[in-house]
This record gives sequence, C-alpha cells and structure tokens, in this order.
Amino acid sequence: GAGVSQSPRYKVTKRGQDVALRCDPISGHVSLYWYRQALGQGPEFLTYFNYEAQQDKSGLPNDRFSAERPEGSISTLTIQRTEQRDSAMYRCASSLTGGADTQYFGPGTRLTVL
Amino acid sequence: KQEVTQIPAALSVPEGENLVLNCSFTDSAIYNLQWFRQDPGKGLTSLLLIQSSQREQTSGRLNASLDKSSGRSTLYIAASQPGDSATYLCAVNGDYKLSFGAGTTVTVRA
Repeated sequence: GAGVSQSPRYKVTKRGQDVALRCDPISGHVSLYWYRQALGQGPEFLTYFNYEAQQDKSGLPNDRFSAERPEGSISTLTIQRTEQRDSAMYRCASSLTGGADTQYFGPGTRLTVL
Repeated sequence: KQEVTQIPAALSVPEGENLVLNCSFTDSAIYNLQWFRQDPGKGLTSLLLIQSSQREQTSGRLNASLDKSSGRSTLYIAASQPGDSATYLCAVNGDYKLSFGAGTTVTVRA
C-alpha cells in the first residue's frame, strides 16, 4: 500500500477485555515496529520484527502484551485482560530493512480502557 | 539507556520568524537521528534523517544539524508559516529501536 495502515483507529474497551490491534506495513518492508505513546510524551519502543521473526520484545510491559507477524507482513498486537493504564496511542512503523533505515509510521490506534 | 530531551517544550512565534528546535541525547553511539512532525489525529511524518556520519541535512525550508560527540541536534525551520504549527519530535536510532524526546509543540501565529 501507499503507507502504513492501522486498524481500528479508535478502540474503547472495558477493563478485563482482550483487544487486538492490527498493522499493515508498507508493501515490501521487511522490518516492523510497535511503539506506545502516552499523552504529552514521545513514543516508546515495544517490539520489533524482521520478516516473521520477533527480534526484540524487550519493550513489552508485561506478559499480557504479545505480538505476532506470522507471514512476515501484517502484524497484530494483542493485549489481554486490559487495564486502565494500557490506555494510550499504539503506533506501528515499518522500514525497508532494519537497522539504520527510515521508519515510516502509521496513523496509530487510540486505545481507551474504561 | 538512551535519554532524549527536547527544549523548549512549547514555542509560539509570529509568521515569518525562523524556528530553532533543540534535541539532546545521552549516548553518542547512534546510527542516525530522525526529526518527525506530529499532527493531531495523524501519524508521525518523517521530516529529515541524519546519518551518524553526517553533520547536517537539508530539505526545503528545513535544516537539521547533528553534533554526535556532544549529543546534540538542532532543527531549523526558515520563514515559518501557520501550516508549520505541529509537534516536532526528535528520535535517536541506536540499533533499530528509536528513542524519542517528548517533543516541542510549535504555534505559528498569522
């Protein structure tokens, strides 16, 4: 596609529910990244994929968070048993290759946990 | 852990004035530094990327400098316009993950 797309753009859920956030990277981009951005702050790294392999998940806050990219394209970030502190903007980015390449960001998913 | 600081947090200028946005980082072992623009409800738009071996990068009215040894980058925007109003984020790439500052929110008054 022309750019990185994310869905849904907005998600409101009740505490304790599971949510799945989707990222569709730029076609042909090998690397995919997830970040989380709190209000008034810059994004913080969550996890990184090279093709389908999850290379780094050190930024995932706890084991309620998981991510996958089974075919090396679309990725899903799943949050189980959501809590109010999970409310944030979740941003996905992709790059042609990893390392020093420019990262291109999608519009983000605004998650609100009531 | 890489710490990235942006000063000032907010800036308001009249149209036509030049903008100077500052970014500092603690670990000079970086691949590159990117400047992004963030508009409400939209994604992050990459403005400029400076490789660690470069001193500056220019695109139109934008110019970014990098002094890796002192851990500093500056984004200059010449002849500001109301359409430049946005939050500008600096991000340092140490391996593959970006470390962001909190941003500078710019308002250009017509």
